[in-house]
Amino acid sequence: NAGVTQTPKFQVLKTGQSMTLQCAQDMNHEYMSWYRQDPGMGLRLIHYSVGAGITDQGEVPNGYNVSRSTTEDFPLRLLSAAPSQTSVYFCASSLTGADTQYFGPGTRLTVL
Amino acid sequence: DQQVKQNSPSLSVQEGRISILNCDYTNSMFDYFLWYKKYPAEGPTFLISISSIKDKNEDGRFTVFLNKSAKHLSLHIVPSQPGDSAVYFCAASPHPAGAGSYQLTFGKGTKLSVIP
Repeated sequence: NAGVTQTPKFQVLKTGQSMTLQCAQDMNHEYMSWYRQDPGMGLRLIHYSVGAGITDQGEVPNGYNVSRSTTEDFPLRLLSAAPSQTSVYFCASSLTGADTQYFGPGTRLTVL
Repeated sequence: DQQVKQNSPSLSVQEGRISILNCDYTNSMFDYFLWYKKYPAEGPTFLISISSIKDKNEDGRFTVFLNKSAKHLSLHIVPSQPGDSAVYFCAASPHPAGAGSYQLTFGKGTKLSVIP
């Protein structure tokens, strides 16, 4: 099993550009989440999904869209990147509960 | 308003001694608590958890204590090893384990350095 994979590892965008951060898991987990980690801020939940076709907002959803068309994939879309979205983004998945939540290696995004 | 607080940004401990990492929370609805460990350039990894119906949970060298009345939990690592050097995040959920408990609120983290 590859676990949770994220691509790309690094990305630099200009203000206003759009992009999609990819996340995939091969553990047949129902629950998937996106977090961002900023210096001195810990991890904050952006969006989450409890299964294919179902998504919901977390603590900091503004500026981000998600969809969950398959169990395996949970992409995060930035529609118009802003410097405030410069961060490290982590995707996570779990089967039934938070104690088995597995995190991907992260995507470091810089918006100029 | 920060609902999960880790007031010590960093902690240094000698190898073989005890490391104690602290976490306070303000939301009385939190029902399930977890500790995650994070190495640089990697995602967090689950370490240990505790339900609000317990006051202690142990797993090898790691023990988590929960004081609900004080809204305080702590992670004890005994004995500390150099490989334990990492950032430790405290997290909390308003749901019991397995029932929506993936909705986590994280603290800012404490960087532990274990000195050989």
